[in-house]
Amino acid sequence: EAGVTQSPTHLIKTRGQQATLRCSPISGHTSVYWYQQALGLGLQFLLWYDEGEERNRGNFPPRFSGRQFPNYSSELNVNALELEDSALYLCASSLYDQGPWDGYTFGSGTRLTVV
Amino acid sequence: AQKVTQAQTEISVVEKEDVTLDCVYETRDTTYYLFWYKQPPSGELVFLIRRNSFDEQNEISGRYSWNFQKSTSSFNFTITASQVVDSAVYFCALSEAWNRDDKIIFGKGTRLHILP
Repeated sequence: EAGVTQSPTHLIKTRGQQATLRCSPISGHTSVYWYQQALGLGLQFLLWYDEGEERNRGNFPPRFSGRQFPNYSSELNVNALELEDSALYLCASSLYDQGPWDGYTFGSGTRLTVV
Repeated sequence: AQKVTQAQTEISVVEKEDVTLDCVYETRDTTYYLFWYKQPPSGELVFLIRRNSFDEQNEISGRYSWNFQKSTSSFNFTITASQVVDSAVYFCALSEAWNRDDKIIFGKGTRLHILP
């Protein structure tokens, strides 16, 4: 069974540009979560999608947005990139009715570097 | 408020030594779940264990053991006879069970170096 896959592995962007990160959940999982792992800050919750809808959002500005497609894959978009957006972005998936109680399955992440 | 504190930012031990990673949590709920994840250099978080708030029994899995104490709001992780492959960042995490819309909150992680 394929795990959670993320693409690209690495992404280098210039300040002010837009970045698009992609995530494919484990087959059968409908919930997708995005976390930001910036240096020294641990994992910060960004977004949660389930059945195509945004279900919860962390304390991030509106330029962080995303969507979930009918096949449950997801995109994270970061507009007007700032240097402090440089981080590892991790995607995780779960079944809806297990989510926060059973734990998530994570992908390997996308390393975003803003220069 | 929901919070996880891992006071140890970085630990280095020599191979075969035992090491304990500390985790202290705060929650308003009586029903909650605690987790430990391992993040090797590849970046992917690997699930290690889940414990619910009603089960204070300690758990052992090979060289790994976990000590859950509600009285001190701690969920510590011990690696016995450490190996170089144990080098990674370890995250403690918490979720409250009263609201499905809630999410897992992570600590800042402890970077563990096992020296050969």
